[in-house]
Amino acid sequence: EVQLVESGGGLVQPGGSLRLSCAASGFTFSSYWMSWVRQAPGKGLEWVATIKQDGSEKYYVDSVKGRFTISRDNAKNSLSLQMNSLRAEDTAVYYCATYGLHTGASDIWGQGTMVTVSS
Amino acid sequence: DIQMTQSPSSVSASVGDRVTITCRASQGISSWLAWYQQKPGKAPRLLIYAASSLQSGVPSRFSGSRSGTDFTLTISSLQPEDFATYYCQQANSFPLTFGGGTKVEIK
Repeated sequence: EVQLVESGGGLVQPGGSLRLSCAASGFTFSSYWMSWVRQAPGKGLEWVATIKQDGSEKYYVDSVKGRFTISRDNAKNSLSLQMNSLRAEDTAVYYCATYGLHTGASDIWGQGTMVTVSS
Repeated sequence: DIQMTQSPSSVSASVGDRVTITCRASQGISSWLAWYQQKPGKAPRLLIYAASSLQSGVPSRFSGSRSGTDFTLTISSLQPEDFATYYCQQANSFPLTFGGGTKVEIK
């Protein structure tokens, strides 16, 4: 079964750090670009970051540049998002998803993990 | 950054109705546009990519089209399972950007 499973969400204080993970199975993870997309409570979708198959290219939304780092371990079929200097506005459900370079679309999504930044 | 303006923000419709949702890009994006469906508490589901290509497994009542920088998602005959929120997303350049969403509600 093709699957992405996120973990690592939780409650963190402003200024704190959190590391999200995404475990891939059922497809050739190393062949795919991968993305993180978030959704604040009651709000729309916001793209966060994307990484190339070999990790050599990474792209971020301006609001997280310098604070978040996307990375991957193809040997472990795993995607990560290291989040530092967290702010209240980072509170959201975080989804990992494939990114099709030739389609520009994400056809496989995880179920999401909730991150709450609050004191 | 490319802005995606989606309209309407909500629409009330009945089963069997034809529903049209529009997304306008702030600059040319060729056909680098995708449409997603999202139900409450669930992850988004890809419906359409490259403006008009139907994702595998998606019913043929969904279709997409492009006219310049205007993109349209059409549901030809609304079914009960289609009540959801729909988003467009451009992939012409990073940062990728989504439209604000259209909630399709039961009339």
